[in-house]
Amino acid sequence: GAVVSQHPSRVICKSGTSVKIECRSLDFQATTMFWYRQFPKQSLMLMATSNEGSKATYEQGVEKDKFLINHASLTLSTLTVTSAHPEDSSFYICSARGLQGMGEQYFGPGTRLTVT
Amino acid sequence: GEDVEQSLFLSVREGDSSVINCTYTDSSSTYLYWYKQEPGAGLQLLTYIFSNMDMKQDQRLTVLLNKKDKHLSLRIADTQTGDSAIYFCAERLGGADGLTFGKGTHLIIQP
Repeated sequence: GAVVSQHPSRVICKSGTSVKIECRSLDFQATTMFWYRQFPKQSLMLMATSNEGSKATYEQGVEKDKFLINHASLTLSTLTVTSAHPEDSSFYICSARGLQGMGEQYFGPGTRLTVT
Repeated sequence: GEDVEQSLFLSVREGDSSVINCTYTDSSSTYLYWYKQEPGAGLQLLTYIFSNMDMKQDQRLTVLLNKKDKHLSLRIADTQTGDSAIYFCAERLGGADGLTFGKGTHLIIQP
C-alpha cells in the first residue's frame, strides 16, 4: 500500500513553455501533498505544501506564480512550471500524506525536467 | 549551519553492518525518518521514529535516537549489494508539515 505515482517521469521542454507534472496517491487519500525539488547530488528542498481544496503554502524563495500548484482532489495534485527556463531544470518529487498512520510521507518516483 | 547533517559517503564490505549517522539541531522535532533513494528514483520510506522513542528495530534495520545529543543513526545488518543507495535522514518539526532533509549519505558496498 501507500503508492504514489508521478507523471511524466521525464520531460524535455523548450524555454518559455509551461510543463504540468501530476502526482497521484493510488491506494489512499492524501489530505496533504508536498512538492520538493532536488538538484544533482543535493538534498530535497521543500517547495510547497498543498491541502486538498485550499491554496498551497509556498516556502520562502519559491515563486508561487511560477510554480502553480493545484490540489483538486484527495488523490491528485499538479505542479505547473510556467514559462520554464533552463535554471528550472531539476528533479521534482512529490509526496503525499494520508489520514492514517503516523503522518509519514510517501514519495513519488520523481519527474526529471530538462529545459532547453 | 545546516539543520540536518550527514556524512556524504560510507563504504562497507558486503555482509558487514552499516551505520549511517545523522545529527539535527531542532529539539522540537517530532518524527525522524530514514529514506532510501536508488539512482534515478524517488524516495522510499525505510523507517521512522517518534521523538519519545530511543530505539526501533525492523528486520535488518535498527534506528537509534539520542535526543539529548540530537543524534540519529540507522544500522543495516548484513549489508547486501542491493542496499547500495543514498540514505536521507529527515526531520519533521512540531507544527510543521514538510520535512527537512539532510544531504544524504551514499552507501557504497565493497565485494
